[in-house]
Amino acid sequence: GAVVSQHPSWVICKSGTSVKIECRSLDFQATTMFWYRQFPKQSLMLMATSNEGSKATYEQGVEKDKFLINHASLTLSTLTVTSAHPEDSSFYICSGVGGMNTEAFFGQGTRLTVV
Amino acid sequence: AQTVTQSQPEMSVQEAETVTLSCTYDTSESDYYLFWYKQPPSRQMILVIRQEAYKQQNATENRFSVNFQKAAKSFSLKISDSQLGDAAMYFCARPSSGATNKLIFGTGTLLAVQP
Repeated sequence: GAVVSQHPSWVICKSGTSVKIECRSLDFQATTMFWYRQFPKQSLMLMATSNEGSKATYEQGVEKDKFLINHASLTLSTLTVTSAHPEDSSFYICSGVGGMNTEAFFGQGTRLTVV
Repeated sequence: AQTVTQSQPEMSVQEAETVTLSCTYDTSESDYYLFWYKQPPSRQMILVIRQEAYKQQNATENRFSVNFQKAAKSFSLKISDSQLGDAAMYFCARPSSGATNKLIFGTGTLLAVQP
């Protein structure tokens, strides 16, 4: 299957700082990228949907000013957690799709710890 | 509300035995996809099997097969000849609407494989 490379795999940051997570589709063009959040021993919860070249669509309850998503090219989407707080500590996963009715390919995930 | 329900938080199976993981879902669509994903301790999401709702034949991938009951909105996963490497969290998922890949995940079933 296709590969989505997500970096970093883990990051520790101080409260109040910003952290950027990158997802790159290596061998296909990801027209859409989904960003999920997963708390320990829980399911994946969709945070936002980004389409290349347009603004991201956020799920209800997700602060768009805190979680900035950019999808400037067909191979790169980024999630920036701004002014991070300890409650933002979580596992963040992206998935990319190349079109309708196609398989979603997941990145390896990023474990964010805010101290 | 579009929901995916996994009623078994944890399951255990002996190596080489068969285990079935349950999943039910809610939808108003007539044509859609259903997925089972595996999340091992590495937390990489791995697609196990996919079923198209308009296909009456149950999908099969090697030791993995599904029992898809469209009228009952049931989509169970059967793992035959269980192996130690099958130990993981398993998530049932379906697109949130129509033919998109914006996935709604169930709460997951943690599968343990006993040697």
